Amino acid sequence: QKEVEQDPGPLSVPEGAIVSLNCTYSNSAFQYFMWYRQYSRKGPELLMYTYSSGNKEDGRFTAQVDKSSKYISLFIRDSQPSDSATYLCAMRRIKAAGNKLTFGGGTRVLVKP
Amino acid sequence: DGGITQSPKYLFRKEGQNVTLSCEQNLNHDAMYWYRQDPGQGLRLIYYSQIVNDFQKGDIAEGYSVSREKKESFPLTVTSAQKNPTAFYLCASSDRNRGAETQYFGPGTRLLVL
Repeated sequence: QKEVEQDPGPLSVPEGAIVSLNCTYSNSAFQYFMWYRQYSRKGPELLMYTYSSGNKEDGRFTAQVDKSSKYISLFIRDSQPSDSATYLCAMRRIKAAGNKLTFGGGTRVLVKP
Repeated sequence: DGGITQSPKYLFRKEGQNVTLSCEQNLNHDAMYWYRQDPGQGLRLIYYSQIVNDFQKGDIAEGYSVSREKKESFPLTVTSAQKNPTAFYLCASSDRNRGAETQYFGPGTRLLVL
């Protein structure tokens, strides 16, 4: 079983809808949680970063962490065709060797005009 | 402009051949990383380096080698011992003091076996 699970999708939504993405994990030692966006054949770019539990909002993006359920979410409001990409969750322990990140497999999102 | 560059964009390897992927950064970051990405498996760590002349194995280091002779450069060699090298390879760097949550990625190199 993988440490971090993520539905591969594809998740198809109409333009303007809310995109809801999530990851589950098994290692309770994870304390830092990140979401990356990756366009086809490009490197990932960091979207959101959250420490421990709670919510964080940045423009159209909201990240939520529920450590009791070992579940994290990313919501994209007013989705645009330019949001079509693969979204990767990542997480790490406080004193991970080399600050190592553990990634989910990614969810492919398609926003249709 | 500051950033990470990787070359080449595409690389073809013949059986029994070693190939080297280039990664250069001008962000003045201490830490650098190499990941492998296969469909549906996310990113897996191959090697990382937190300082010049020092590097550590990641989760899937077998069949790979690295060097870190300069702060800006972290080349990855895929040796003939790596039996399934076809993948998308990503290099990343981070400010060691800020942690891996702010890793910056390069554009990647796609390696294909002939």
